Amino acid sequence: DTAVSQTPKYLVTQMGNDKSIKCEQNLGHDTMYWYKQDSKKFLKIMFSYNNKELIINETVPNRFSPKSPDKAHLNLHINSLELGDSAVYFCASSQGRGRTGELFFGEGSRLTVL
Amino acid sequence: AQTVTQSQPEMSVQEAETVTLSCTYDTSESDYYLFWYKQPPSRQMILVIRQEAYKQQNATENRFSVNFQKAAKSFSLKISDSQLGDAAMYFCAYLPNAGKSTFGDGTTLTVKP
Repeated sequence: DTAVSQTPKYLVTQMGNDKSIKCEQNLGHDTMYWYKQDSKKFLKIMFSYNNKELIINETVPNRFSPKSPDKAHLNLHINSLELGDSAVYFCASSQGRGRTGELFFGEGSRLTVL
Repeated sequence: AQTVTQSQPEMSVQEAETVTLSCTYDTSESDYYLFWYKQPPSRQMILVIRQEAYKQQNATENRFSVNFQKAAKSFSLKISDSQLGDAAMYFCAYLPNAGKSTFGDGTTLTVKP
């Protein structure tokens, strides 16, 4: 069973469209994250939720809106897509910063904006 | 703000040889975690090894080991007996006890047969 799963894995869309990426984890973790990996492979955190509560919100355009219906799910909705939004978006989860703080990543969702 | 620096954008190693990837970080914290993650061409990020700052002993996972120098704020990864499957991008990450992970910019490792 996949521990952290994201859908879709590939997404190609036109500028100005709205799209969503879904993430689910079955590890029982209480913290989930969205990371963005750009074309140079730099990895930057965007958001983090702990038990459905937003705890990290980096400087991200408000066109990006995360939603966590429960602690096992964290979705990312993007409005009015721009060319610069093209990237790979990774969902991750962790059991807080207790024993290990290790991040478990999904396979990534490659978003291409044309 | 904490920063993580990987000074080697690219490294290469001959199969069966040993390679060391460097990582330095900047922090005023005394309690934190350090990690190395691997990202192969398949894109999936997976944990290679982790180190708790309070532990003096260097972490080891099979062919992977670290050289953790807390005073120097250095956390290098040594890969012994390199295999073709080790080819990937490697990210060093820092996690304070109450904060978020900060990643280095990555080192692309090529393994030559």
